[in-house]
Amino acid sequence: GENVEQHPSTLSVQEGDSAVIKCTYSDSASNYFPWYKQELGKRPQLIIDIRSNVGEKKDQRIAVTLNKTAKHFSLHITETQPEDSAVYFCAARPLQGAQKLVFGQGTRLTINP
Amino acid sequence: GAVVSQHPSWVICKSGTSVKIECRSLDFQATTMFWYRQFPKQSLMLMATSNEGSKATYEQGVEKDKFLINHASLTLSTLTVTSAHPEDSSFYICSATDITYEQYFGPGTRLTVT
Repeated sequence: GENVEQHPSTLSVQEGDSAVIKCTYSDSASNYFPWYKQELGKRPQLIIDIRSNVGEKKDQRIAVTLNKTAKHFSLHITETQPEDSAVYFCAARPLQGAQKLVFGQGTRLTINP
Repeated sequence: GAVVSQHPSWVICKSGTSVKIECRSLDFQATTMFWYRQFPKQSLMLMATSNEGSKATYEQGVEKDKFLINHASLTLSTLTVTSAHPEDSSFYICSATDITYEQYFGPGTRLTVT
């Protein structure tokens, strides 16, 4: 089955700097890759997603890139702000499996003022 | 946007008792609902996938007789933790998909078994 690896597990950056979180997946047939932000005790919130027919997607300060050949995708946050501090999860949706998502281990991002 | 609710938001129960958690899609019909468990500082682990009117599909290692899932309608799925033990204490989150297959998450239920 699909396996998603996420790095780093923790990331600390200065406010205003950029943050990059990387994920790799094992199932080449996976076709959808969302990123979620989760604050303590809250539900995961979808922040951006990308489908396998696209290489890059951007939404204001957030961008995601996908390299299907290498089977990895990355989240880029520019001009970081204190409210970006949270745990971020990547996920992959295998072609087989009733639309379920397989999540990475999560990255705890801390923005230092 | 699509809204998913869960009830209760938190529950404390004694070891050996059963607890039922409800997951509702409030403004859309959910073709599929998912149940996750999240331990502190860990990722979301999928427990089972449920479709309305059919038996749930459990992930490997999840005891189907302990975690009973009922998906009675297109807007309601329930998870019952039977004979709960302290090791079942966790954050349980459901999600629901609509026809676009995007997953909408509920707010979660924190279960504490004493």
